[in-house]
Amino acid sequence: EAGVAQSPRYKIIEKRQSVAFWCNPISGHATLYWYQQILGQGPKLLIQFQNNGVVDDSQLPKDRFSAERLKGVDSTLKIQPAKLEDSAVYLCATSGGAIEYEQYFGPGTRLTVT
Amino acid sequence: QKEVEQNSGPLSVPEGAIASLNCTYSDRGSQSFFWYRQYSGKSPELIMSIYSNGDKEDGRFTAQLNKASQYVSLLIRDSQPSDSATYLCAVNPHLTGTASKLTFGTGTRLQVTL
Repeated sequence: EAGVAQSPRYKIIEKRQSVAFWCNPISGHATLYWYQQILGQGPKLLIQFQNNGVVDDSQLPKDRFSAERLKGVDSTLKIQPAKLEDSAVYLCATSGGAIEYEQYFGPGTRLTVT
Repeated sequence: QKEVEQNSGPLSVPEGAIASLNCTYSDRGSQSFFWYRQYSGKSPELIMSIYSNGDKEDGRFTAQLNKASQYVSLLIRDSQPSDSATYLCAVNPHLTGTASKLTFGTGTRLQVTL
């Protein structure tokens, strides 16, 4: 079974620029999560999708972050404009397999904002 | 604010010894609990899940849960240098369903010495 795919793996941008991350879930997993992990901290949930509907986006900075999950499969997370404090690893996770509540992470995208 | 607390470490154990990692959580209604292993520069990897009081064993790993004390632990027997990583504790208020959401601790760094 293929895992969660993410791209790009690394991105360096200047502040005020925009950036987008892509995630492809494990086949059949209905729930998709985007997390932000700052160095030395645990992952923090940004947004959760169930199929193509948003379940929880309470911690998403909506003035600059947006996310969508078209057709209930792939998802994109966008930051516009980026700030220095957005430097982090952005992790996509999915769940909905044999044990519904277990979440599996993709490799992540390391974002550096200069 | 629901919190998950872990000692950041590093926890240093000699090869072949038992490593004991601990986690406490504040939300008494939490239902499911997870341990993730994260190597430096990599994404979290699920190694154990537990949702009933008591012990759950999987190979060299044992997860222990005490809901009354709001405490979950991970024991690693016969520790190997390859076990050196950061171990993240995560807590979910639900067993299943669209409202499932993980809150992570900051992780404990484990070093297994030769």
